[in-house]
Amino acid sequence: NAGVTQTPKFQVLKTGQSMTLQCAQDMNHEYMSWYRQDPGMGLRLIHYSVGAGITDQGEVPNGYNVSRSTTEDFPLRLLSAAPSQTSVYFCASSYRGHYGYTFGSGTRLTVV
Amino acid sequence: GESVGLHLPTLSVQEGDNSIINCAYSNSASDYFIWYKQESGKGPQFIIDIRSNMDKRQGQRVTVLLNKTVKHLSLQIAATQPGDSAVYFCAENINYGQNFVFGPGTRLSVLP
Repeated sequence: NAGVTQTPKFQVLKTGQSMTLQCAQDMNHEYMSWYRQDPGMGLRLIHYSVGAGITDQGEVPNGYNVSRSTTEDFPLRLLSAAPSQTSVYFCASSYRGHYGYTFGSGTRLTVV
Repeated sequence: GESVGLHLPTLSVQEGDNSIINCAYSNSASDYFIWYKQESGKGPQFIIDIRSNMDKRQGQRVTVLLNKTVKHLSLQIAATQPGDSAVYFCAENINYGQNFVFGPGTRLSVLP
C-alpha cells in the first residue's frame, strides 16, 4: 500500500493563479481531510469529507474548494492564489476517525 | 528544561533521559485523543491514542496519561533517543468523528 500520496511536493504560484493539489489514498478510508500548517502553529482543518459525494467546511475554508467523486481521491483547489495561502498542505485519511489520520508527506506551496 | 520560544515550546533532554511532553486540550466533550510525531519535512505520524474511559495507556517506550479533571494530556518517552527529535502534537476528537483539533505542538530536542 502506498498510503496517502500527495502531488506536487513543492509549488510556486503567482498571486491570482489557480491550481489543484492532488491527494489519493489506497486504504479504502472513508474519511479524508485537508489541513494547512503554518510556522509555529498546529494543523488547521480546511475541508473534509466523510465519503464519496460528501464534503464540508473546516476551520479555514475560504479560498479553497474540494470535491470527492471517488473514495480514493480528494483534490484541493485554490481558486485565486493569495500570499496568505503560502503554507504546507497535508492531506489525511482515516477509517471513520479510528486510530486518527494517516497523513501524506505534504505540499509546500509558496504564493508570490 | 522547557521554554517557550518564538514559535513552538521546546523541550531539550539528554539522550537516555525520560521526556515528558504536555498538552492542554480545549473541549471537555472530547473523548478520544492521539499523539502525533512530526519529523522535519514529513507529515505527522500516529504514536499512541487513548480513550476518555482510560487514564493511562502504554506503548513501546511511550506512555500517555489523561487527566480529564484538568483537561490535560501528557506523553512520556522513556530512554529518549536522537531519533525522537521531532515536533509532537496532541489531537482531540469527539466520538471518532471527522474533526480532530490539533494543539500547537512541542519541539523535542535530544542532546547528545
